[in-house]
Amino acid sequence: QSALTQPASVSGSPGQTITISCTGTSNDVGYYDLVSWYQQVPGKAPRLMIYEVTKRPSGISSRFSGSKSGNTASLTISGLQADDEADYYCFSYAGSSIYVFGSGAKVTVL
Amino acid sequence: QVQLVQSGAEVKKPGASVKVSCKTAGYSFFSYAISWVRQAPGQGLEWMGWMNVNSGDTHYSQRFQGTISMTADRSTSTAYLEVKSLRSDDTAVYFCARYNRDDSTSDYWGQGTLVTVSS
Repeated sequence: QSALTQPASVSGSPGQTITISCTGTSNDVGYYDLVSWYQQVPGKAPRLMIYEVTKRPSGISSRFSGSKSGNTASLTISGLQADDEADYYCFSYAGSSIYVFGSGAKVTVL
Repeated sequence: QVQLVQSGAEVKKPGASVKVSCKTAGYSFFSYAISWVRQAPGQGLEWMGWMNVNSGDTHYSQRFQGTISMTADRSTSTAYLEVKSLRSDDTAVYFCARYNRDDSTSDYWGQGTLVTVSS
């Protein structure tokens, strides 16, 4: 199972909107609505930001939103803030109780 | 509150095995599964597998088939990950997480355990 493809880095200025893509295949992202997104600050454990493509866990800002089209899922961060600077990973079910992470995208706030 | 507390850092020689523990508290151990994820230095997250602590069923990434073993001690609400035949590229931080099979999410995580493989 190959890692899902994400851009290595995405940047934006405070207040801007950025989108991180996550490209898989018709066997994972494209087939199941079980894509989630995790935020990871260096040295810390990941934090769940989005699940089932579009849902936000309790306590996650509405500035974070998710979507999917075909084999590509996306995480959008609106009103970018300094503390959004982190690594972001997509995660998808791939069938037969198997899962796969994305390659990770580093978000930099300029 | 929900907590997953992992065992401390380990240094192992190539070819050895390591067993990382993940003690849970603050929720019903039997209501969730446990997943394991690792992260090599400077690299991304890598999904290793998950365990149904009720049935004992395990599901491993193909990459780790034959080299890892996930177990659980229900009496102490503790999950374990054993990695065998360690190689230098197994050097990584290993995370456990509470896993909800219904929505495929890991909502609470351990603090991570650094395993260093070096001769």
